[in-house]
Amino acid sequence: DGGITQSPKYLFRKEGQNVTLSCEQNLNHDAMYWYRQDPGQGLRLIYYSQIVNDFQKGDIAEGYSVSREKKESFPLTVTSAQKNPTAFYLCASSILRDAVGGNQPQHFGDGTRLSIL
Amino acid sequence: LAKTTQPISMDSYEGQEVNITCSHNNIATNDYITWYQQFPSQGPRFIIQGYKTKVTNEVASLFIPADRKSSTLSLPRVSLSDTAVYYCRGGGFKTIFGAGTRLFVKA
Repeated sequence: DGGITQSPKYLFRKEGQNVTLSCEQNLNHDAMYWYRQDPGQGLRLIYYSQIVNDFQKGDIAEGYSVSREKKESFPLTVTSAQKNPTAFYLCASSILRDAVGGNQPQHFGDGTRLSIL
Repeated sequence: LAKTTQPISMDSYEGQEVNITCSHNNIATNDYITWYQQFPSQGPRFIIQGYKTKVTNEVASLFIPADRKSSTLSLPRVSLSDTAVYYCRGGGFKTIFGAGTRLFVKA
């Protein structure tokens, strides 16, 4: 079945440590996204990528880094510079736009919950 | 950036029709309006998408007026399992996901 796989489901970070969240998709989508969700809140965009080897900052990119070396993979690193990393992280993918230029629905993984030890 | 406004929460009873309205500003001419459903500790799931007028699928209907400044998601005959957060979104890559509408369906 096609879909998006995020791992691990739960992750714990020690002070001063970088951690990497995995996101893999087999939907052949060009675009991939990372969101952060805090309790009772909506989704906030961290980074997005429209093509391999290119990515753009979202609204809350500080303290995070990404890479897009392969079309199917878009890992997110939460660096020690992110002082409040405890949150639910969601990865998504989509095709870019349809023939008339309309935005397309995003397909989401089931998230990684990150906590500080 | 395109932003949306939705009611924070709604209550309903099983078997009723639920309508959730969303206001969108700055939606681009060629952007669709998309609705998602999210259960706790899961990623949002696509429900329905439309450009204008009415769209219907097996789970919901979407009504969009000619000015496209709002949209209404209609859930027919809700059940307890429809208790979730519903997000509307209209726009491109950097469109903001709002806080959504928390729908609570009671028996």
